[in-house]
Amino acid sequence: DAGVIQSPRHEVTEMGQEVTLRCKPISGHNSLFWYRQTMMRGLELLIYFNNNVPIDDSGMPEDRFSAKMPNASFSTLKIQPSEPRDSAVYFCASSYLRGHNTQYFGPGTRLTVL
Amino acid sequence: GESVGLHLPTLSVQEGDNSIINCAYSNSASDYFIWYKQESGKGPQFIIDIRSNMDKRQGQRVTVLLNKTVKHLSLQIAATQPGDSAVYFCASGVGAGSYQLTFGKGTKLSVIP
Repeated sequence: DAGVIQSPRHEVTEMGQEVTLRCKPISGHNSLFWYRQTMMRGLELLIYFNNNVPIDDSGMPEDRFSAKMPNASFSTLKIQPSEPRDSAVYFCASSYLRGHNTQYFGPGTRLTVL
Repeated sequence: GESVGLHLPTLSVQEGDNSIINCAYSNSASDYFIWYKQESGKGPQFIIDIRSNMDKRQGQRVTVLLNKTVKHLSLQIAATQPGDSAVYFCASGVGAGSYQLTFGKGTKLSVIP
């Protein structure tokens, strides 16, 4: 059974460029999360979707960040324009929101903005 | 506000010994707890979870203990193996169906062969 799939696994880009990260959640899960992980701040929730609808985007750093979930099997996180301080590992996670629910994480995308 | 922290940021254990990783949480309303394992270059991997109506739960070579009185939980790994070397995170949630998890910063477990 495939877990959460993310692409690309690594992304190196220059400041000012647009970056798009992709995620395919576990089939049957109705909730999707985007996280950012850094040494300084640990895991930070950026945005949460339930049934493809954004429910909580309070963690999105600023307007340069946007996320979409056009269907139950695909989501994107876009950064435009990217800045060096955006360098981090970005994780997508999914869960089936019913009662207490565990979030299952993808392998992450390591983003480096030069 | 809710915070979840770890007593020890690093832990070195001899192969074959038992490991104990600790975690403290501050929100007494927390009622669901998860342990994750994160190996280098990988995403957090679910290990075991426990609800607040339990004080102990066992998995394969792992046991989670929950002490609600002092808001503390621990992860015990029996017969630690080199493959157990990773960063371990605890996370807590409040309320059934709540999507928000509060993560600790992690404890790095190093297994000495």
